[in-house]
Amino acid sequence: DQQVKQNSPSLSVQEGRISILNCDYTNSMFDYFLWYKKYPAEGPTFLISISSIKDKNEDGRFTVFLNKSAKHLSLHIVPSQPGDSAVYFCAAIISGSARQLTFGSGTQLTVLP
Amino acid sequence: GAGVSQTPSNKVTEKGKYVELRCDPISGHTALYWYRQSLGQGPEFLIYFQGTGAADDSGLPNDRFFAVRPEGSVSTLKIQRTERGDSAVYLCASSFIGGHEQYFGPGTRLTVT
Repeated sequence: DQQVKQNSPSLSVQEGRISILNCDYTNSMFDYFLWYKKYPAEGPTFLISISSIKDKNEDGRFTVFLNKSAKHLSLHIVPSQPGDSAVYFCAAIISGSARQLTFGSGTQLTVLP
Repeated sequence: GAGVSQTPSNKVTEKGKYVELRCDPISGHTALYWYRQSLGQGPEFLIYFQGTGAADDSGLPNDRFFAVRPEGSVSTLKIQRTERGDSAVYLCASSFIGGHEQYFGPGTRLTVT
């Protein structure tokens, strides 16, 4: 049973437009969420995170929104750039536990020039 | 500063052989994690070290897998009697104790023929 789900395996967006990547989770014990970006042949790179006590966190072109009641979070990238093309993973953690990250299966974002 | 490093970057071995994968975490990070990523999936947790001890090894798939971190820094993941199903990218991550963000190395791609 997948506790973190990314239902869109791929997304294509025109350069300059907004990219919206979605993630759903089932475990209500998760209290911290992270987005990672991964280029081929590299490890995942931390992008942005959000605590469950917040509903929004912004860092430059990247904003993460959390809807706890719906157990849903999304990553907005605006404006999208060709260099943003990568696989994006959503991950969740239970603070105070062994702190393992539980990942979704990823979404391949392609930003078209 | 230096990030997480992993060696080798690629390892090809025959079924039944023994392999060791090495991880060198970010200096000062006392928490160290091993994950395994199969094609088309997100990373899956294997084991977590706090200092020298394995705080949680619940993700290790069976007793062919073992990991050590004898001096609280470098860690080695050991796989005995490798099987073709062990083929994957093995990722190491580190963090400060109490930190949510984990920083990943580039991974070791293991291929069992």
